[in-house]
Amino acid sequence: DAGVIQSPRHEVTEMGQEVTLRCKPISGHDYLFWYRQTMMRGLELLIYFNNNVPIDDSGMPEDRFSAKMPNASFSTLKIQPSEPRDSAVYFCASSLGTGFHIQYFGAGTRLSVL
Amino acid sequence: GQQLNQSPQSMFIQEGEDVSMNCTSSSIFNTWLWYKQEPGEGPVLLIALYKAGELTSNGRLTAQFGITRKDSFLNISASIPSDVGIYFCAGQLTSGSRLTFGEGTQLTVNP
Repeated sequence: DAGVIQSPRHEVTEMGQEVTLRCKPISGHDYLFWYRQTMMRGLELLIYFNNNVPIDDSGMPEDRFSAKMPNASFSTLKIQPSEPRDSAVYFCASSLGTGFHIQYFGAGTRLSVL
Repeated sequence: GQQLNQSPQSMFIQEGEDVSMNCTSSSIFNTWLWYKQEPGEGPVLLIALYKAGELTSNGRLTAQFGITRKDSFLNISASIPSDVGIYFCAGQLTSGSRLTFGEGTQLTVNP
C-alpha cells in the first residue's frame, strides 16, 4: 500500500513568493494533519481535517498560511507571501478515525525561503 | 499548554549497548506514543501505550506508560547501527485530541 505522499520533496523560493505544498493521504483515512518541524520549535501541529473539513487550525501561525482539502485524496498547504522564517520541513500525516492517534507521516517537504 | 520534556537530547553509544530514554510532562496523558524519525523521512510510529503501568514490546524496543500518567520510557536493547535516528515521544490527553510531541532524542550508534 502507498503511504502518505507529499510533493515536492524540496522547495527553494524567494521571499514574497507563493508556495504550495501538496499531500495525498492514505486511501480510506479520514483524518489529515499538517505539521511543521524546525530545530527551534520541534514538531508543531498546524491544522487538521476530518472528512475534508478543517477541525482545528489553531496552530496556523498567521494569515499568510492557508490549507484546503477539496476531496478525500488531496490537500494543500499554501504560504503567501513566504518569508525566510517559514523555512522548515512540513509534514502531512493521515489516520483513521478509530485510531486518530496512530498517524502515518509522509516524507515531508523541505522548504527554504531565501 | 502541555509540554513534554524528553531526555537525553542526544546519545552516542556503541553497537550492542542498551539505550534508555524518557519523557515527562507537567500534566497527565491518557495515551503515550513513541515515534522514530530517520534522516530525510517522516516519523514512524514504534509503540502506542494506553494504560498507566502498561509495558509493551516491539522487537528490541520496550516502552512503559508511567503509573502517574505523566511520564513514559523507551528502552532499546542490543543496539545496532540502523537504530540511528531521532526518537520522539508524544502524548494525547483524550481520544481525538491533538498529539503533543517531545523535542526528540538523537541517537547515534557507533559500529
